[in-house]
Amino acid sequence: AQSVTQPDIHITVSEGASLELRCNYSYGATPYLFWYVQSPGQGLQLLLKYFSGDTLVQGIKGFEAEFKRSQSSFNLRKPSVHWSDAAEYFCAVGAGAGNMLTFGGGTRLMVKP
Amino acid sequence: NAGVTQTPKFQVLKTGQSMTLQCAQDMNHNSMYWYRQDPGMGLRLIYYSASEGTTDKGEVPNGYNVSRLNKREFSLRLESAAPSQTSVYFCASHGDRVNQPQHFGDGTRLSIL
Repeated sequence: AQSVTQPDIHITVSEGASLELRCNYSYGATPYLFWYVQSPGQGLQLLLKYFSGDTLVQGIKGFEAEFKRSQSSFNLRKPSVHWSDAAEYFCAVGAGAGNMLTFGGGTRLMVKP
Repeated sequence: NAGVTQTPKFQVLKTGQSMTLQCAQDMNHNSMYWYRQDPGMGLRLIYYSASEGTTDKGEVPNGYNVSRLNKREFSLRLESAAPSQTSVYFCASHGDRVNQPQHFGDGTRLSIL
């Protein structure tokens, strides 16, 4: 069975600083990988996804993620964080066509002015 | 442009009471899901439905039942609510094509006293 680990429960960065959120997965085949963001009181919004091909994936809101098979990682990055990026971020791995998702525990991002 | 709609948004129950959470999607998706979200645990799958007329257990099905009423609607029922079921519940749907992500509703915040 697949699993996802997000090692950092909370991260605080200053506005304008760079950001990297870590995600490690365990899955026996080629994974389908996702990053979702959840603002307070809201549902989950898809930031980006990896299915195949180029290992550097661009998403919405200036986010990108890099799939590294050798490290079983799919870390999320942003070069310059904005106050509106404060939210909780979830990494997920999908089985098959991505229908069945397994989520990590989430990383809560706080942004200092 | 509603996407996935969940009702109610908030609910407080007493232990032992029953309740049905409603979910409807307008994207003509075959697959629908119910998750619960608890702090530090990400989202865990309760039940899913791959198509109208079919339902299957997910990771944490105990204490819940589901009904796939038609292609649009997928309800979650708590027959005898317990404090351990206090959580935020999310419904999601998914199309049939490989590159489509899951779409989430805004959640139902359920407290059981």
